[in-house]
Amino acid sequence: GAGVSQSPSNKVTEKGKDVELRCDPISGHTALYWYRQSLGQGLEFLIYFQGNSAPDKSGLPSDRFSAERTGGSVSTLTIQRTQQEDSAVYLCASSHGSSYGYTFGSGTRLTVV
Amino acid sequence: AQKVTQAQTEISVVEKEDVTLDCVYETRDTTYYLFWYKQPPSGELVFLIRRNSFDEQNEISGRYSWNFQKSTSSFNFTITASQVVDSAVYFCALSAPTSAGGYNKLIFGAGTRLAVHP
Repeated sequence: GAGVSQSPSNKVTEKGKDVELRCDPISGHTALYWYRQSLGQGLEFLIYFQGNSAPDKSGLPSDRFSAERTGGSVSTLTIQRTQQEDSAVYLCASSHGSSYGYTFGSGTRLTVV
Repeated sequence: AQKVTQAQTEISVVEKEDVTLDCVYETRDTTYYLFWYKQPPSGELVFLIRRNSFDEQNEISGRYSWNFQKSTSSFNFTITASQVVDSAVYFCALSAPTSAGGYNKLIFGAGTRLAVHP
């Protein structure tokens, strides 16, 4: 597609439920990243996929968070047993390679009530 | 360890003023990339510039200019003759190599919120 597409744009969920956030990167981009931006905070790295290499999961805050990237394209970030502190905007980005400019999606605003 | 510091939390200017956003970075690597992103109220992060550590030439793009100084580990961003549409949060970021030889995550500063008033 022309840009990085994320869905849903907004998600309200009850504490304890699982959620799935989707990212559709720019066609042909081999690198895909997930970041989290909490209210009034900076951008926190979560996970990075590059081609067929093992993902860099070093930013995932707990084992309730996981992500996969199928067929080198679409990625899903899953948060299990959501907590209120998970409330944030989850941003996805893609690039040709990790040293190039990253193109970000509009994000998914997650609210855990 | 890598770190990016944007000491200015918020800046408020009147239209047509020039404004400089500061960015100081820390890395032990000799090869790295620096970035600036703009986040308007719509929320999407917009890529502005990428600069590699071997290129210290200043860059100008319209009303935007960037001053990269390795001696002070700074990569400052100046907007000349600011406009209301420049109101946004601006993030400076650093990408450093991994032990495997590639680059991965962008390390962001906390951002500077710029408000340009008519």
